[in-house]
Amino acid sequence: ETGVTQTPRHLVMGMTNKKSLKCEQHLGHNAMYWYKQSAKKPLELMFVYNFKEQTENNSVPSRFSPECPNSSHLFLHLHTLQPEDSALYLCASSRSPGLAQTQYFGPGTRLLVL
Amino acid sequence: SQQGEEDPQALSIQEGENATMNCSYKTSINNLQWYRQNSGRGLVHLILIRSNEREKHSGRLRVTLDTSKKSSSLLITASRAADTASYFCATDVKGISNDMRFGAGTRLTVKP
Repeated sequence: ETGVTQTPRHLVMGMTNKKSLKCEQHLGHNAMYWYKQSAKKPLELMFVYNFKEQTENNSVPSRFSPECPNSSHLFLHLHTLQPEDSALYLCASSRSPGLAQTQYFGPGTRLLVL
Repeated sequence: SQQGEEDPQALSIQEGENATMNCSYKTSINNLQWYRQNSGRGLVHLILIRSNEREKHSGRLRVTLDTSKKSSSLLITASRAADTASYFCATDVKGISNDMRFGAGTRLTVKP
């Protein structure tokens, strides 16, 4: 148990659906991250938030829309996804962004887009 | 973009043997971290080594860093079946990004 929870753990959605992924951290951290992990590919950083402000958007398509209402919660809103968006989506947090910071990961949401 | 690259992609050993995984990276770094991931789960931090350190130990783990070769190795001694997982290295990109970049990982299988 890393102190980072994600819901749902599994999600199947059609290309026209709208859904949201939720991440919550109980560690008092200020930075939160969304990663995408596809089979046999490196972990891809999607978004970084620091004190609720987005500090990095790694050229992510607009069909992925993050929201960080406070430093403990992070959402990823999904709409009109494509089958190639099927992947494991991981949330992480750290005390502050970047250098020399250990990231604590949630268990991930396994997403399947049909 | 990818910064670290692990080698080998997959490694299969018997319980009790040592496992060595390597990571190479492209640009100067401030620190390098190793993470472990059990199948379909989140990553768990194992160890962090700073650019001015050459070796670090944590239990059965030994990490080395050679900044002149831009490479790091993770050694797991006396492996156990429970060590079966994927292992990733992650680096920052000095002077460019405050965020970590992960490699594609080494899939380690330890047979009982």
